[in-house]
Amino acid sequence: DTGVSQDPRHKITKRGQNVTFRCDPISEHNRLYWYRQTLGQGPEFLTYFQNEAQLEKSRLLSDRFSAERPKGSFSTLEIQRTEQGDSAMYLCASSFSGGHQETQYFGPGTRLLVL
Amino acid sequence: GDSVTQMEGPVTLSEEAFLTINCTYTATGYPSLFWYVQYPGEGLQLLLKATKADDKGSNKGFEATYRKETTSFHLEKGSVQVSDSAVYFCALSLQGSQGNLIFGKGTKLSVKP
Repeated sequence: DTGVSQDPRHKITKRGQNVTFRCDPISEHNRLYWYRQTLGQGPEFLTYFQNEAQLEKSRLLSDRFSAERPKGSFSTLEIQRTEQGDSAMYLCASSFSGGHQETQYFGPGTRLLVL
Repeated sequence: GDSVTQMEGPVTLSEEAFLTINCTYTATGYPSLFWYVQYPGEGLQLLLKATKADDKGSNKGFEATYRKETTSFHLEKGSVQVSDSAVYFCALSLQGSQGNLIFGKGTKLSVKP
């Protein structure tokens, strides 16, 4: 068990470009979450998958954002036509829905800077 | 709406001092409460949790008690170490939700030798 991994760790892009981030959860975990964290703030929920199904999306997730988890394993988060306001740390977390309020394990995050 | 409020940082303490980081919440029903810690250069790690009123979560010398009457979950440690320097986040998960967490803004703790 190597924990939750995210790739890339850092991304610098120009406004208007598209970017894609990847998250590999802990292998037996069936739940996967994406959060966004801006400087000086706590993480904010973006979206959630149970296996391959995307079951919840925050109002923060504009139509420029799309997330997938095609085989119920890794997930991707794509941002189209990036804006400077998208600059943030994007966090992925996974958990196993085997009990009451199971623990979420977080990856190291992908730091995005939009110039 | 549902939210978490924690004391503003940064907090600077000397080694072996007593630590309290205040956390209060607003939520419907009976949320579960968490403290996460982020050490420099690392990802968020669960420090402790409590799932019902009067539960006490504890780990690594840290404790927090779920107080329904005051809607609080204050983090305490009797004697901090330099290695406790980190950012601490209080969070909640709503009863009946899919488990997504609502976080406070975080409190940065620096412990001086």
